Amino acid sequence: EAGVAQSPRYKIIEKRQSVAFWCNPISGHATLYWYQQILGQGPKLLIQFQNNGVVDDSQLPKDRFSAERLKGVDSTLKIQPAKLEDSAVYLCASSFGRAGYGYTFGSGTRLTVV
Amino acid sequence: KQEVTQIPAALSVPEGENLVLNCSFTDSAIYNLQWFRQDPGKGLTSLLLIQSSQREQTSGRLNASLDKSSGRSTLYIAASQPGDSATYLCACVGSQGNLIFGKGTKLSVKP
Repeated sequence: EAGVAQSPRYKIIEKRQSVAFWCNPISGHATLYWYQQILGQGPKLLIQFQNNGVVDDSQLPKDRFSAERLKGVDSTLKIQPAKLEDSAVYLCASSFGRAGYGYTFGSGTRLTVV
Repeated sequence: KQEVTQIPAALSVPEGENLVLNCSFTDSAIYNLQWFRQDPGKGLTSLLLIQSSQREQTSGRLNASLDKSSGRSTLYIAASQPGDSATYLCACVGSQGNLIFGKGTKLSVKP
């Protein structure tokens, strides 16, 4: 089966610019997650969707970050305006339930803010 | 708030050695626990999932144990190979399926 697709793979932007990341989960996976992984750290959950509804966005900096999952399939994560501390790898993952079974991660988007 | 700690942060061993990676967590009310592998520039690959009612899981040369009462899990790798070199991440799974990760252990297996 096809894996979790993410694009772009790499992005370099200046601070205060905006950027968007795209994710297409595994077909049939109802749950989609966005994680932020700062260098040397483990991934941190930003937002979790169940179909097209938000389950958890408690760690999403809502003043600058937004995410949507239209039609319960693919998803976009946006940062506007970006800060230097947003430099990280943004990982998308999906699973077929809410208990973490069948967790599959994409290869991630490496964002550098200069 | 759940906190996950992994020790050691880095480990270098000669090929063929058996090794143990440690993971501890502060809140025993976990749904599951997963071990992942991360290769440079790539996403995470799930290695083993231990349900909260289980004590251990095995896959090939990998064995993971879980002791909820003490808040600990270990990943045992038998007969290590250079291809095992990667960062290993432990994650507690909450009831919603969200993962809370440790910082990982970077493993280097020397030929």
